[in-house]
Amino acid sequence: QSALTQPRSVSGSPGQSVTISCTGTSSDIDGYNYVSWYQQHPGKAPKLIIFDVSQRPSGVPDRFSGSKSANTASLTISGLQADDEAAYYCCSYAGSYTWVFGGGTKLTVL
Amino acid sequence: QVQLVESGGGVVQPGRSLRLSCATSGFTFSSYGMHWVRQAPGKGLEWVAVIWYDGSIKSYADSVKGRFTISRDNSKNTLYLQMNSLRAEDTAVYYCAREIYGDYEIDYWGQGTLVTVSS
Repeated sequence: QSALTQPRSVSGSPGQSVTISCTGTSSDIDGYNYVSWYQQHPGKAPKLIIFDVSQRPSGVPDRFSGSKSANTASLTISGLQADDEAAYYCCSYAGSYTWVFGGGTKLTVL
Repeated sequence: QVQLVESGGGVVQPGRSLRLSCATSGFTFSSYGMHWVRQAPGKGLEWVAVIWYDGSIKSYADSVKGRFTISRDNSKNTLYLQMNSLRAEDTAVYYCAREIYGDYEIDYWGQGTLVTVSS
């Protein structure tokens, strides 16, 4: 049950795009299409922004998109806005009714 | 709307026990799998435990296996986490979370309850 690997921080200017990677193994990301992404503002609960690798829940803008290639999932945020500044976490089902999260990535909007 | 409200957190000495509760509303609780996820101060999210909609399957992270027990009362729409033999490293905000229906991912989260293990 090792954590998925995410960059500790990324940054971008308003209007730009950023991509956050999430690297796992054949036992989690590469084994299932159950990859989700969460946005967490300081002091708040996480919020689901992507599920099933690339699906957006109702109400999440299409500026947020997800993808996966082999054991690496990615979250892309386009048209960066000030309110996008937050921590982002990936999560994958890891088999045998267990789940694993990434270490989190702090997004700074310059 | 979906609501998850955790309670039961507090300060507890190492080796002691604590029971967290999560009162739910706004959805058919008995149809959904439920999770506990924790977040140590300044750290990332860590999955803790899951229970199937009917309680038939329970699973735990290695870090809490044998010490924590997840349970539910579908008649009260409430999820529980019994935490025994607590350690300093169990200090965290504990979130109750709902699983997407028919899926293996979490959609809704509660606001969390802080557990501090300290002498």
